[in-house]
Amino acid sequence: QKEVEQNSGPLSVPEGAIASLNCTYSDRVSQSFFWYRQYSGKSPELIMSIYSNGDKEDGRFTAQLNKASQYVSLLIRDSQPSDSATYLCAVSGNNRLAFGKGNQVVVIP
Amino acid sequence: NAGVMQNPRHLVRRRGQEARLRCSPMKGHSHVYWYRQLPEEGLKFMVYLQKENIIDESGMPKERFSAEFPKEGPSILRIQQVVRGDSAAYFCASSLSGVYNEQFFGPGTRLTVL
Repeated sequence: QKEVEQNSGPLSVPEGAIASLNCTYSDRVSQSFFWYRQYSGKSPELIMSIYSNGDKEDGRFTAQLNKASQYVSLLIRDSQPSDSATYLCAVSGNNRLAFGKGNQVVVIP
Repeated sequence: NAGVMQNPRHLVRRRGQEARLRCSPMKGHSHVYWYRQLPEEGLKFMVYLQKENIIDESGMPKERFSAEFPKEGPSILRIQQVVRGDSAAYFCASSLSGVYNEQFFGPGTRLTVL
């Protein structure tokens, strides 16, 4: 089982809609969870961090964490063309961040 | 508000040459991490360093690769006798304290081996 899995394929959403991204992880002792945004040819940019069960909102972004189900999600409300990017889920543990392969989001004007 | 700095941004080497990648962490950060990203693949952990100490190098190939973070100066990732398979984007990240804290990434060094 992979450490961090992001299974959804490319996600196309109309401008103004909600984009929903999911991530599962295998290490039960993980304590910190992050979402990064990566534009093509650029470096990952931290957009959300979450440490405890529940929801955390920051602007148009909401992260949700369920440690019992080992599940992290990211919602992007009122999606904008500038949100078109690859979103990486990252989980801390064992002296590193383990990353999922990412989900590509395309916002259609 | 200096972020994580990496240089060079692009590096071209011929097979068998050495590549040296540099990383200066964010001001006040003493924890540095190196990751490698191959085309169409995820980010893979290579090594975690604090000043003058390698904390975890389990993600780094045992041969040809080495890393350091001296008391003064940037962290260095060194690849000796490069091969075509080393072509990738190498990212450095830093954090204020340990791995459970937020990591901020530099712009990366794109290594091309001819």
